[in-house]
Amino acid sequence: GDSVTQMEGPVTLSEEAFLTINCTYTATGYPSLFWYVQYPGEGLQLLLKATKADDKGSNKGFEATYRKETTSFHLEKGSVQVSDSAVYFCALSDTGGGNKLTFGTGTQLKVEL
Amino acid sequence: DADVTQTPRNRITKTGKRIMLECSQTKGHDRMYWYRQDPGLGLRLIYYSFDVKDINKGEISDGYSVSRQAQAKFSLSLESAIPNQTALYFCATRKTGTGHNEQFFGPGTRLTVL
Repeated sequence: GDSVTQMEGPVTLSEEAFLTINCTYTATGYPSLFWYVQYPGEGLQLLLKATKADDKGSNKGFEATYRKETTSFHLEKGSVQVSDSAVYFCALSDTGGGNKLTFGTGTQLKVEL
Repeated sequence: DADVTQTPRNRITKTGKRIMLECSQTKGHDRMYWYRQDPGLGLRLIYYSFDVKDINKGEISDGYSVSRQAQAKFSLSLESAIPNQTALYFCATRKTGTGHNEQFFGPGTRLTVL
């Protein structure tokens, strides 16, 4: 079945550092890929998405490129802020009728001054 | 703003009790989902519904039941709660035919079963 693997956290960075959170997936067909963010005490919010190979999703300075050849969707940001501290989830949607989301285990990011 | 709301936000109950978690949405979406979140496990799908008459089991439906009372309401029930159902529960919605399975999440219900 479908699966998503994320790097384990927590990831601790200083403000203005470069961020990479790795995500790889296993799926049949051509799933859509997502990054969701969960701020403390809140629900999940869609951060960015990509629907086909080589697409780049971007939002709030975050980027991720859909790499079919390496089955990856790594999240990057050039300069993190304290306000980026949150848990980040990589997810894929299946291509069947249910369009269900499969999530990775989440990566906690802590950004310090 | 159109929104997804969940009640209660926090609940503590005892083993064997029946409990219902409720989800309402004003987005006009037809599809609704229930997930649970456990540390180190991410989110796992419990049940999902395409419309009022269409209910489907997710990967971890045992011990849970759902009711889609109206397009805007989707309730999750634990008939006899047990401690390993302690988790954070999320409701989500999606509108068929838009985007590529973007789902919108409620704020979550933290359930503790003693």
